Amino acid sequence: GEKVEQHESTLSVREGDSAVINCTYTDTASSYFPWYKQEAGKSLHFVIDIRSNVDRKQSQRLIVLLDKKAKRFSLHITATQPEDSAIYFCAASRTSGSWQLIFGSGTQLTVMP
Amino acid sequence: EAAVTQSPRNKVAVTGGKVTLSCNQTNNHNNMYWYRQDTGHGLRLIHYSYGAGSTEKGDIPDGYKASRPSQENFSLILELATPSQTSVYFCASGDQGDTQYFGPGTRLLVL
Repeated sequence: GEKVEQHESTLSVREGDSAVINCTYTDTASSYFPWYKQEAGKSLHFVIDIRSNVDRKQSQRLIVLLDKKAKRFSLHITATQPEDSAIYFCAASRTSGSWQLIFGSGTQLTVMP
Repeated sequence: EAAVTQSPRNKVAVTGGKVTLSCNQTNNHNNMYWYRQDTGHGLRLIHYSYGAGSTEKGDIPDGYKASRPSQENFSLILELATPSQTSVYFCASGDQGDTQYFGPGTRLLVL
């Protein structure tokens, strides 16, 4: 079946540095790729998404890149801050005739002061 | 942002008992979803719905039923709870082609 693999289970960076989280997907027809942030003990909060008609999208300090040929997408967080520390989930849309998302297993990002 | 609420927020159940988790959304989204979150697995889809009266099986539907009596409400039912169903359950809603918005989650412990 379709899968989304999130390559980094944990990631530690220094405050002010950039963090990059990478995901790959298997369904060639996936067209929508959202990212969610989950702070400790809380729910998932949508942060940014990208659709297959573009290869780059930026929202403030967040940049998402999409490489459809490689079936890979990534989240770049620039100028990281301690409040960026959380679990980040990538997801890809499933094309089985219904609107579903397949989630990666999450990346625990720690931003050290 | 979409408003999705869940109840209860925490639940302790006994093995073999019946558990009902409720979800309500106030943004008139057609689609609603139930996921469970376990360490190392990310989120896994249990059931989903396209609208009132519809329920569909997700990736891990065994041991769960769902009910969508109205546009706003979507329930997850464990008829005979087992310890393996101990987890955190999230409800989400969204429109076709758009992102999903998540509720606060329900922590379920089955003893």
